[in-house]
Amino acid sequence: NAGVMQNPRHLVRRRGQEARLRCSPMKGHSHVYWYRQLPEEGLKFMVYLQKENIIDESGMPKERFSAEFPKEGPSILRIQQVVRGDSAAYFCASSPARSSYEQYFGPGTRLTVT
Amino acid sequence: QKEVEQDPGPLSVPEGAIVSLNCTYSNSAFQYFMWYRQYSRKGPELLMYTYSSGNKEDGRFTAQVDKSSKYISLFIRDSQPSDSATYLCAMRDYTGTASKLTFGTGTRLQVTL
Repeated sequence: NAGVMQNPRHLVRRRGQEARLRCSPMKGHSHVYWYRQLPEEGLKFMVYLQKENIIDESGMPKERFSAEFPKEGPSILRIQQVVRGDSAAYFCASSPARSSYEQYFGPGTRLTVT
Repeated sequence: QKEVEQDPGPLSVPEGAIVSLNCTYSNSAFQYFMWYRQYSRKGPELLMYTYSSGNKEDGRFTAQVDKSSKYISLFIRDSQPSDSATYLCAMRDYTGTASKLTFGTGTRLQVTL
């Protein structure tokens, strides 16, 4: 059973460009969470999605960031007009049900903004 | 004040030692407690989770929760060099639709030969 998959693993963008990060949850999981990890900091929650619905986006910056989890295909975290401060590791986690406290993490996408 | 406090370390111990890792928290709504292990440049790996106060054991790992003190611990017995990693505590509440995890900053552990 494949784990959570994220791609790309490494992404370099110039300031002002767009970054698109993809996450495919574990088989049978329909709940996806995105977290950001800045250097020397713990993981910070960004957004929680189910298929075609955003459940909790309380951790998302108000501007430039958006997320979706379409009926078909992976979840996408989109960052428009990236700035240097967006450089971080972005992790996706999935769980089989909203009541499950077991969240399984992917390997992460490391975004570098130059 | 952060919701979850965790000493960043680094913590260096000799092989075979018992390791104690701890977190404190301030939010009484937290009901579920987890420990993740994260190797350098990898994703966090779920080690243990617990709900109630008390101890839970799994092999060389024991998770302990004291809700009255808002204090959780992870003990590693017979530590091995392969245990060298960052250990993250995480917790969540069970109110409304909230399923997000709140993490500590992580403790770096180095087990030396």
